[in-house]
Amino acid sequence: EPEVTQTPSHQVTQMGQEVILRCVPISNHLYFYWYRQILGQKVEFLVSFYNNEISEKSEIFDDQFSVERPDGSNFTLKIRSTKLEDSAMYFCASSEEPREAFFGQGTRLTVV
Amino acid sequence: GQSLEQPSEVTAVEGAIVQINCTYQTSGFYGLSWYQQHDGGAPTFLSYNALDGLEETGRFSSFLSRSDSYGYLLLQELQMKDSASYFCAVRLYNFNKFYFGSGTKLNVKP
Repeated sequence: EPEVTQTPSHQVTQMGQEVILRCVPISNHLYFYWYRQILGQKVEFLVSFYNNEISEKSEIFDDQFSVERPDGSNFTLKIRSTKLEDSAMYFCASSEEPREAFFGQGTRLTVV
Repeated sequence: GQSLEQPSEVTAVEGAIVQINCTYQTSGFYGLSWYQQHDGGAPTFLSYNALDGLEETGRFSSFLSRSDSYGYLLLQELQMKDSASYFCAVRLYNFNKFYFGSGTKLNVKP
């Protein structure tokens, strides 16, 4: 069964460093998303991507964040100059219709 | 802004039936979805209502009433493995994003 894959599963980084979180969406999906979940809290939307450009972004997604689709399969989230409050689980998701989003297993980011 | 409100926590015993409600204030949306998330895991899709009424998928059923801005997830014959968080979500018209509710932690006890 096709699935969304994310790497790495865990990332520990020092405050102020840059991190890149990687995702391979399901191949025939056209809509890609990044979500964030702080431990015990709701799933928060960060950004969506369609047709090689950002289609929506939340107020959380400021200049510190960027997304890219560097090739036909990968979808990346870059966080520049990480802060302690960026520590969270980051989920990539993809969809082909409004019915459901398919989530990857997430990257647990810890900023120390 | 959008809001989807759920009870924060529900407890039930194995074999029982439990209903998790979702009341919302949103702009137009395609349908109401439900996701399950075990601790440390990813949200996984459970059920979807595009139209008002009841949808049944095995032990899980979901209901939507657009006129009441309300939906629910019904879990029957509860099992210990159903202990998880459950989120309602909508995909908004004109916005390319799924908006998630506050989540309900379900505790199933023996």
